[in-house]
Amino acid sequence: EAQVTQNPRYLITVTGKKLTVTCSQNMNHEYMSWYRQDPGLGLRQIYYSMNVEVTDKGDVPEGYKVSRKEKRNFPLILESPSPNQTSLYFCASSSSLYSAGATNYGYTFGSGTRLTVV
Amino acid sequence: DQQVKQNSPSLSVQEGRISILNCDYTNSMFDYFLWYKKYPAEGPTFLISISSIKDKNEDGRFTVFLNKSAKHLSLHIVPSQPGDSAVYFCAASASNDYKLSFGAGTTVTVRA
Repeated sequence: EAQVTQNPRYLITVTGKKLTVTCSQNMNHEYMSWYRQDPGLGLRQIYYSMNVEVTDKGDVPEGYKVSRKEKRNFPLILESPSPNQTSLYFCASSSSLYSAGATNYGYTFGSGTRLTVV
Repeated sequence: DQQVKQNSPSLSVQEGRISILNCDYTNSMFDYFLWYKKYPAEGPTFLISISSIKDKNEDGRFTVFLNKSAKHLSLHIVPSQPGDSAVYFCAASASNDYKLSFGAGTTVTVRA
């Protein structure tokens, strides 16, 4: 089954304790991205990757790191988590750029990771 | 600065009636628009999309309308069913760009 898998689904941690949220896709997609969802703000992009070893900042990258050593994996790293990073996180992947006339463009999302930093 | 805006955080509708969800965007480079549906404890799933070369796209009970001059799109669900109760996100993209920009979402509740 084609899917994006995130782990863990739920995580409670303390301020300053490094953590990693894993993301893996089995669709051979080039593009992967991390979003966070917060009430009233919707989904905001944290980081994205166009391909292996190619990553860039999204709209809210502060306090996060990513790596893309393999095509299928795109972990999100919080070196020193703070309470304002308490959120619902989604990993997503896509196979192609959108181009005019395309009908199948879009993201496949993981099921989400609910992170609480106390 | 959000480039995609959904100004109605919630919508309550009677089963069998029409649900209309609205979305506005500010970036004139956007030329592809999508709606995603999200249930609690799940990731968003693709619902329907529309290219800027069209003004309407229909898929079963779901129709998306695009008004480029007003930078506005809407999603119509007819008839609304209890299983449609979910959060709906509007998203937009520009040609030759991977990034999707999302709105804040509208929570739809369908009353029996």
